[in-house]
Amino acid sequence: GAGVSQTPSNKVTEKGKYVELRCDPISGHTALYWYRQSLGQGPEFLIYFQGTGAADDSGLPNDRFFAVRPEGSVSTLKIQRTERGDSAVYLCASSLTSNSPLHFGNGTRLTVT
Amino acid sequence: DQQVKQNSPSLSVQEGRISILNCDYTNSMFDYFLWYKKYPAEGPTFLISISSIKDKNEDGRFTVFLNKSAKHLSLHIVPSQPGDSAVYFCAASAQTGYALNFGKGTSLLVTP
Repeated sequence: GAGVSQTPSNKVTEKGKYVELRCDPISGHTALYWYRQSLGQGPEFLIYFQGTGAADDSGLPNDRFFAVRPEGSVSTLKIQRTERGDSAVYLCASSLTSNSPLHFGNGTRLTVT
Repeated sequence: DQQVKQNSPSLSVQEGRISILNCDYTNSMFDYFLWYKKYPAEGPTFLISISSIKDKNEDGRFTVFLNKSAKHLSLHIVPSQPGDSAVYFCAASAQTGYALNFGKGTSLLVTP
């Protein structure tokens, strides 16, 4: 079946611009997560949704980062006033419940020039 | 502060031999541990997990061992195959599933 889909796969933007990254989870998965992976590091937790609400956003680095999941399915990660340090691979994952293993998408590679 | 540590950035093993990947953690609240495998340009893929009530979990060629007193876990792959060549991430959480804390990964190369 279809896995977690993330678009775009690559995004290059200029410093100061706004970007949106999209995640389509596996159908029926209620839990959705965003992680960020910088070069040479493991994935770093950003935010977790259970249904439409953000159950834990403690990993968001600052208020330039925001994520939504308005209908409990697709989620969008929004980054305002991008900085070069935001360059990373942004990974989305979903799971059937919060007690199930995470299924990751292939990520969006964001490059801020 | 890195709460999950994989101190070996890389490991090379001959095909057919055992691969042992190690992971240490510092947070005593962690009670759920997972291993993920990652190929280039793909997202991590779940491999195997273990909860703190167990000290061993086996799935085919993959076995995870947990030593709670030492805050250490290891992944054994036997026999190793060239297709196992990938980056392996250890992850842990204080509850099952979300807010996983990942290590930096170990790159495994299995040579024919």
